[in-house]
Amino acid sequence: DAGVTQSPTHLIKTRGQHVTLRCSPISGHKSVSWYQQVLGQGPQFIFQYYEKEERGRGNFPDRFSARQFPNYSSELNVNALLLGDSALYLCASSLSSTLNQPQHFGDGTRLSIL
Amino acid sequence: QQQVKQSPQSLIVQKGGISIINCAYENTAFDYFPWYQQFPGKGPALLIAIRPDVSEKKEGRFTISFNKSAKQFSLHIMDSQPGDSATYFCAASPGNNRKLIWGLGTSLAVNP
Repeated sequence: DAGVTQSPTHLIKTRGQHVTLRCSPISGHKSVSWYQQVLGQGPQFIFQYYEKEERGRGNFPDRFSARQFPNYSSELNVNALLLGDSALYLCASSLSSTLNQPQHFGDGTRLSIL
Repeated sequence: QQQVKQSPQSLIVQKGGISIINCAYENTAFDYFPWYQQFPGKGPALLIAIRPDVSEKKEGRFTISFNKSAKQFSLHIMDSQPGDSATYFCAASPGNNRKLIWGLGTSLAVNP
């Protein structure tokens, strides 16, 4: 079975632009979470979605938004990009949003802001 | 404030040795403690996880030891191999799994 897939793998943008990152969860997984990983640090939680509803939000500005589609895939949108948004954006999927189901990660989208 | 404190930042071990990485937490609401392994250019991969109702869990060469009273947990890698060279992250989450709180990571190098 395919794991979590993310696209694109790499992306270069300039300040002020917007970006859309995409994630396809493992088949059968209904929960998707997004994390930001700055070089040399652990991932920081951005959002969790389950059954197309937001179930959790981390300490990120409103420039960050996300949604989940009926097929459980998800998009992360970031507006008005800043240099500090340069990071690896990780998507993780799990069976559900409860009972501490293990989260399985994709290989991420490396976003560089010039 | 770092909710999950991980140490050491880096670790060098000889092949066949034991690698030990430690984590401490403050939030008593945390009740799920996974360890992830991350290779350069890859996403984190779940290694092993533990809940606070047990003090130890072993899967192959990987063991988690958990001390609820001290609010500490550790990862032991037995018979460390060069292929284990990676960055290891501890994490913790409250029961609703709404988010994982991560340590800063430990860069492990296993010398042949």
